[in-house]
Amino acid sequence: DIQMTQSPSTLSASVGDRVTITCRASQSISIWLAWYQQKPGKAPKLLIYKASSLESGVPSRFSGSGSGTEFTLTISSLQPDDFATYYCQQYNDYSWTFGQGTKVEIK
Amino acid sequence: QVQLQQSGPGLVKPSQTLSLTCAISGDGISSSSTAWNWIRQSPSRGLEWLGRTYYRSKWYSDYAVSVRGRITISPDTSSSQFSLQLNSLTPEDTGVYYCARDHDGAFDFWGQGTMVTVSS
Repeated sequence: DIQMTQSPSTLSASVGDRVTITCRASQSISIWLAWYQQKPGKAPKLLIYKASSLESGVPSRFSGSGSGTEFTLTISSLQPDDFATYYCQQYNDYSWTFGQGTKVEIK
Repeated sequence: QVQLQQSGPGLVKPSQTLSLTCAISGDGISSSSTAWNWIRQSPSRGLEWLGRTYYRSKWYSDYAVSVRGRITISPDTSSSQFSLQLNSLTPEDTGVYYCARDHDGAFDFWGQGTMVTVSS
């Protein structure tokens, strides 16, 4: 299986900060990478698919980039509703795997 | 708007079989561009894709290596539902189980989650 490694595991930030989360794949996955936001007790919510496509209804402060093995999720100006855990997820050859998560905390 | 509604027990004994159902509304179960998945989450294993079923002129299923041989995901077209059966349960199978739709490799709609505890 392809392994996904996120960094950092925890991130402390303030409202208005620019935040970047990195995800690395153990082998090339082209652009088959998605990003999710999860809040306690809730299912993950899709933010970005195919590395850089914004899901309908997701605020434009969220953006994704990358291809191959290295990807980033950027929140341009952190809002109070954005404090949550973020996961990357890859799709390749009929297999899906998730990163271990990045918790974004209030500084 | 697509909605997925899960049902099934929250407590199962070791060695027994887990059976969960996911009812689909707002989309066709036989859509040729989507697939229907089961995913679980636990503190020890994180988010783990278990498998999926989908229709492309006929029905197919794909399963994760970690549960292959113990898992069956099958559609019920008459009720627009799909189900998960996972047998030979151990405490390691404890976690929150989600159904989800996938489109273009990403999971865009999710069920509400079912907390499953494997314990005698």
